[in-house]
Amino acid sequence: AQSVTQLGSHVSVSEGALVLLRCNYSSSVPPYLFWYVQYPNQGLQLLLKYTSAATLVKGINGFEAEFKKSETSFHLTKPSAHMSDAAEYFCAVSRGGSNYKLTFGKGTLLTVNP
Amino acid sequence: EAGVTQFPSHSVIEKGQTVTLRCDPISGHDNLYWYRRVMGKEIKFLLHFVKESKQDESGMPNNRFLAERTGGTYSTLKVQPAELEDSGVYFCASSQDTADTQYFGPGTRLTVL
Repeated sequence: AQSVTQLGSHVSVSEGALVLLRCNYSSSVPPYLFWYVQYPNQGLQLLLKYTSAATLVKGINGFEAEFKKSETSFHLTKPSAHMSDAAEYFCAVSRGGSNYKLTFGKGTLLTVNP
Repeated sequence: EAGVTQFPSHSVIEKGQTVTLRCDPISGHDNLYWYRRVMGKEIKFLLHFVKESKQDESGMPNNRFLAERTGGTYSTLKVQPAELEDSGVYFCASSQDTADTQYFGPGTRLTVL
């Protein structure tokens, strides 16, 4: 069975500061990993995904994540937070193969302070 | 290109009533998924259609939930009779191929009183 743990249900940063959202996963097979973002009153939008190619994945809006197999982690970072980054972020894993259903973490609400 | 749409955006019903949620996937997407987020919990998979066939319905909570995708286009998720614990946000997602990115709709917020 797969599972995802997001450390910190709420993260608060100042505008211009580093954003670091933590995600650890467990999977019995090499996983596909995703970060989705949900802005207020909108659906989930894919930020980036890892599918066994490069371990450092670049996504939209300046976000990137690094797959570290030894640490079973896929943390999301952005060098400089912007007010528009305030949203809820979800880490997810899927097994791939014929089974692409997503298993999500509980989400991390990011607040950006001026 | 229109995204995934869901209707209604909100629904408030009483325990024991029936509610039907609708999802229109992106045109041409054969794969359609339903997920649910109960307050304070993670988003959980409910089921997966490939065209009109149920590929995986392992996440359906019980037989009060019925999903259909007639003709392989839009899908409906019916809850009958609704219980208090069914409250949450129901998301629909679609993808062209099984391995492709899943695109999510805005969700339907269901409140059962």
